[in-house]
Amino acid sequence: DGGITQSPKYLFRKEGQNVTLSCEQNLNHDAMYWYRQDPGQGLRLIYYSQIVNDFQKGDIAEGYSVSREKKESFPLTVTSAQKNPTAFYLCASRTGGSGANVLTFGAGSRLTVL
Amino acid sequence: EDKVVQSPLSLVVHEGDTVTLNCSYEVTNFRSLLWYKQEKKAPTFLFMLTSSGIEKKSGRLSSILDKKELFSILNITATQTGDSAIYLCAFAAISSGSARQLTFGSGTQLTVLP
Repeated sequence: DGGITQSPKYLFRKEGQNVTLSCEQNLNHDAMYWYRQDPGQGLRLIYYSQIVNDFQKGDIAEGYSVSREKKESFPLTVTSAQKNPTAFYLCASRTGGSGANVLTFGAGSRLTVL
Repeated sequence: EDKVVQSPLSLVVHEGDTVTLNCSYEVTNFRSLLWYKQEKKAPTFLFMLTSSGIEKKSGRLSSILDKKELFSILNITATQTGDSAIYLCAFAAISSGSARQLTFGSGTQLTVLP
């Protein structure tokens, strides 16, 4: 079955450490997204990528970095510069074209900074 | 600044009750409004609305959009415990290229008691 796989599901990190969250999709979708979810704040966009080797900052990109070397993969690195990294991170993808707005989401990764 | 406001933030009902969830938005270049259901992990797509006054229906769930008054409602009739979830509203805006992303509201936490 096609879908989006995020790993790890749970991750603990000490302050000052970088951590990379994996996102892989086999839907042949062009665009991929990273959202952060905090209680009571909905989903906020971190980074998005519409094609391989290209990505743009979202609304809260500071302290995060991404790469898009393959169509299927869009890993997110949470760096030590991110002041409050404890959150639930969701990866999503959608088909290309301006008419396709429906996102498909992965199951998420919950990061806790100790 | 574009924004989406959902109400109520949380709601507790008993099985069999009917609920109405609200979503109001202020956005330039509106394209479509989407509803998602999130049970613990990955949000799953419910409806996409682009035209005013046309009800979308799926089983006990239905939704309608009012583009003049800038709001949408999601109705759930004969609620069941399995309807307990966060319901997210999001809009997609028209952009010069592919749709940049969805802008999400903070969600409504629905709890259905047996």
